[in-house]
Amino acid sequence: GESVGLHLPTLSVQEGDNSIINCAYSNSASDYFIWYKQESGKGPQFIIDIRSNMDKRQGQRVTVLLNKTVKHLSLQIAATQPGDSAVYFCAENPSYLYNQGGKLIFGQGTELSVKP
Amino acid sequence: DTEVTQTPKHLVMGMTNKKSLKCEQHMGHRAMYWYKQKAKKPPELMFVYSYEKLSINESVPSRFSPECPNSSLLNLHLHALQPEDSALYLCASSRRLAGPEQFFGPGTRLTVL
Repeated sequence: GESVGLHLPTLSVQEGDNSIINCAYSNSASDYFIWYKQESGKGPQFIIDIRSNMDKRQGQRVTVLLNKTVKHLSLQIAATQPGDSAVYFCAENPSYLYNQGGKLIFGQGTELSVKP
Repeated sequence: DTEVTQTPKHLVMGMTNKKSLKCEQHMGHRAMYWYKQKAKKPPELMFVYSYEKLSINESVPSRFSPECPNSSLLNLHLHALQPEDSALYLCASSRRLAGPEQFFGPGTRLTVL
């Protein structure tokens, strides 16, 4: 079946260190993969996305890597700060679901805690 | 304006009450979504509207009734809810169907007594 999952439910890092959040997916027919950040009491916030024809995309302090061979997606956060503490969800946007309104399939989420 | 707003922020209702959740965006997005989210879980899609027409109903019970009065507004009417319906209800919008970027509102925290 289709699923987007995360390897670890929680991740604790020291302030200033780099963080890596992983995600495994099982569906090859996705055009986009997206990372969302959800802080406590707020809605998910778009961080970065990557198209399926790319391996890597960089944003401000974040990098997303896509390995289609092993169906693995990761989010790297450089110099992690206390404000990065949140739950991070990966999501995929399968093209075969476009006629269903662009449904996103979310992973289970990883809770990132940053220790000062 | 790059926001999705939702009202109210919090709602407590009894099982016999009728209430409505409201969502608004002024980004010109033509697709709008309702999600339900339980604590520490990912959002679960409930409904999708595209150009003010219902595009997807994810087999949601009829006690939840969506409405899209115009391209900027999305409502969710609630009636005869159950305690297990207590959750965070999120509204989102995207430029078009198959966005992929969806902009989420802050949510309405609903408690059903």
